[in-house]
Amino acid sequence: KAGVTQTPRYLIKTRGQQVTLSCSPISGHRSVSWYQQTPGQGLQFLFEYFSETQRNKGNFPGRFSGRQFSNSRSEMNVSTLELGDSALYLCASTRGLAGSTDTQYFGPGTRLTVL
Amino acid sequence: KNQVEQSPQSLIILEGKNCTLQCNYTVSPFSNLRWYKQDTGRGPVSLTIMTFSENTKSNGRYTATLDADTKQSSLHITASQLSDSASYICVVSSMEYGNKLVFGAGTILRVKS
Repeated sequence: KAGVTQTPRYLIKTRGQQVTLSCSPISGHRSVSWYQQTPGQGLQFLFEYFSETQRNKGNFPGRFSGRQFSNSRSEMNVSTLELGDSALYLCASTRGLAGSTDTQYFGPGTRLTVL
Repeated sequence: KNQVEQSPQSLIILEGKNCTLQCNYTVSPFSNLRWYKQDTGRGPVSLTIMTFSENTKSNGRYTATLDADTKQSSLHITASQLSDSASYICVVSSMEYGNKLVFGAGTILRVKS
């Protein structure tokens, strides 16, 4: 079966711009979680969506937002980009909630560079 | 405060040797613990998931152990291969806030020939 897909894979933006990242989960999976990964910080949890509802949110400013559609596809938006937003953004899908014993499958990530 | 700490931060071993990575956590109430392997530039891949009642779980050459009393877990890699070079991340799920995941910083393993 197809894995988790993320688009685009690479993105270059300038400070102040906004960006939208997309994630398509594995068919039948209802949970999509988003993470930011930087060399010095490791994986940082952004938010989790389950059946179109935000279930959990990490400690990120309001510039980071997301949503999930009825087909479980999810988008993440970052407004007013800052240099520190440069990172690998990963999404992961799970059949049940991300914290359950269901296996979590990660996508390849979107590499965002903010100049 | 819910935390997951991993040691060592990095490790270099010779191909064919065994190694053990450690994970200590203070997450409570505990739901489950998982280990992920992340190759450079790629998304993490789940290796094992263990609940409170499980104390050992294997996935090929990877064996994870869990001591819920001392809140410690280890990942043992047997007969290491060059392809085992990666970051290994310990993640604990808390029953609070809808089973929120708490991530460790990872151990970077390098296997050399």
